[in-house]
Amino acid sequence: IAGITQAPTSQILAAGRRMTLRCTQDMRHNAMYWYRQDLGLGLRLIHYSNTAGTTGKGEVPDGYSVSRANTDDFPLTLASAVPSQTSVYFCASSGTGGQPQHFGDGTRLSIL
Amino acid sequence: GENVEQHPSTLSVQEGDSAVIKCTYSDSASNYFPWYKQELGKGPQLIIDIRSNVGEKKDQRIAVTLNKTAKHFSLHITETQPEDSAVYFCAASMGSGGYQKVTFGTGTKLQVIP
Repeated sequence: IAGITQAPTSQILAAGRRMTLRCTQDMRHNAMYWYRQDLGLGLRLIHYSNTAGTTGKGEVPDGYSVSRANTDDFPLTLASAVPSQTSVYFCASSGTGGQPQHFGDGTRLSIL
Repeated sequence: GENVEQHPSTLSVQEGDSAVIKCTYSDSASNYFPWYKQELGKGPQLIIDIRSNVGEKKDQRIAVTLNKTAKHFSLHITETQPEDSAVYFCAASMGSGGYQKVTFGTGTKLQVIP
């Protein structure tokens, strides 16, 4: 079934450690996004990518980095995790022409 | 930037009744308004959307209305069923090219009581 795959599904991480969340899509969408979801705050955009080779900052980019080496993959890296980065992270993608975003099932990350 | 407000935050209805969720947005440049349903442990799934050149759209038991002048849009679910229980998010989006700037509401937890 076509869609977005995120890994891992959950992770407990010590503060200060480096962590990469993986996201792969098979819909050949140009645009990809990373959101974090926190109770009462909805979904907030961390970083996005219009197309392979380009990335941009969203609403809450600090402490996170992304890369887009090809169309299908869009990993999110926490260089040095802090407890405030405890959240559920969702990857999404969309086609061109104002198409809706499609979401993965998320990674639940706890930073201790 | 865009600000999307969503009400109510929680909603309980009896099975078979209707449910209405309302959202307002602030930026008149927003031109696309999707609604997402999120079940426990899953990602948001698109259930219906509406573009700014349309006032109403219906898909079986689900309908969305848009009032561009007042900058508000609503989700209507008729004949609710227990499987409609979930968290619903509205969103306002702008941009017709690759990247869409999407602002989400804070969600409505809908409980349908059998």
